[in-house]
Amino acid sequence: GAVVSQHPSWVICKSGTSVKIECRSLDFQATTMFWYRQFPKQSLMLMATSNEGSKATYEQGVEKDKFLINHASLTLSTLTVTSAHPEDSSFYICSAPPGGLDYGYTFGSGTRLTVV
Amino acid sequence: GEDVEQSLFLSVREGDSSVINCTYTDSSSTYLYWYKQEPGAGLQLLTYIFSNMDMKQDQRLTVLLNKKDKHLSLRIADTQTGDSAIYFCAERDIGGKNTDKLIFGTGTRLQVFP
Repeated sequence: GAVVSQHPSWVICKSGTSVKIECRSLDFQATTMFWYRQFPKQSLMLMATSNEGSKATYEQGVEKDKFLINHASLTLSTLTVTSAHPEDSSFYICSAPPGGLDYGYTFGSGTRLTVV
Repeated sequence: GEDVEQSLFLSVREGDSSVINCTYTDSSSTYLYWYKQEPGAGLQLLTYIFSNMDMKQDQRLTVLLNKKDKHLSLRIADTQTGDSAIYFCAERDIGGKNTDKLIFGTGTRLQVFP
C-alpha cells in the first residue's frame, strides 16, 4: 500500500532556531499533503495543505511565516518551523490523501518536536 | 462548522468486545474512517465506510453507521491488550467546501486490562 515516510521522528532544538520536517511519498505521487499538529492527549488539528507546484493553503489562525511549507515535487513536502519557541513543541504529522476513493489517507509516522 | 465528537475513554477486559462511538454533524460526509494511534506513532487506518452503507465488517472490526442520527460506531470483538491505543473517527467530505479534508474526532483512549 501507499507509504509516507516522515523524518525526523524526533528533534530537540534551541529556541530561535529553525527545524525542517520532511514527508516523502515512497511508492506513489502525492500532489497534495496535509500537515497536522497534535498536542498531548488531543486530536489532530489541520495546519495547512500543501500542493505541488503552488502555494500552500493555511488554516485559520496558522502563521504562514512561522510554518513554511514547500511542496517542490510530487514525492516531497516539507514543513519548516522557523524561529521555534517552546510553545511550538508538539507532534507534527503529515498525510497524503488517497489516490482512489477506496483507500484511506496515508499518514507519516510523525515528528516529535521539543523546543528548549 | 463540522464537529466530530467521541467519548474520551473506554476501559474493557481482555476478551470482551469494545464499542467506540462517534457522532458527526456534516450531513454531506461521504466517507467515514476509523484510525488507530499508538503512543508516539502516526495514524493507522483500521477501516472505512461509505455513507450509503449501514454496516461493514472486517475480521474483528465491525463498523455501524446510522446516517439519520449521524452516529458511527466501531466494535472490536475479542479485544486484546494490543488493541490499547487511541482511536479516532474521521469524516471526509467529497464535493463540499472542505473537499478532501479529513475532520477528526476528539479521540477515544481504549485501555484493555487482563
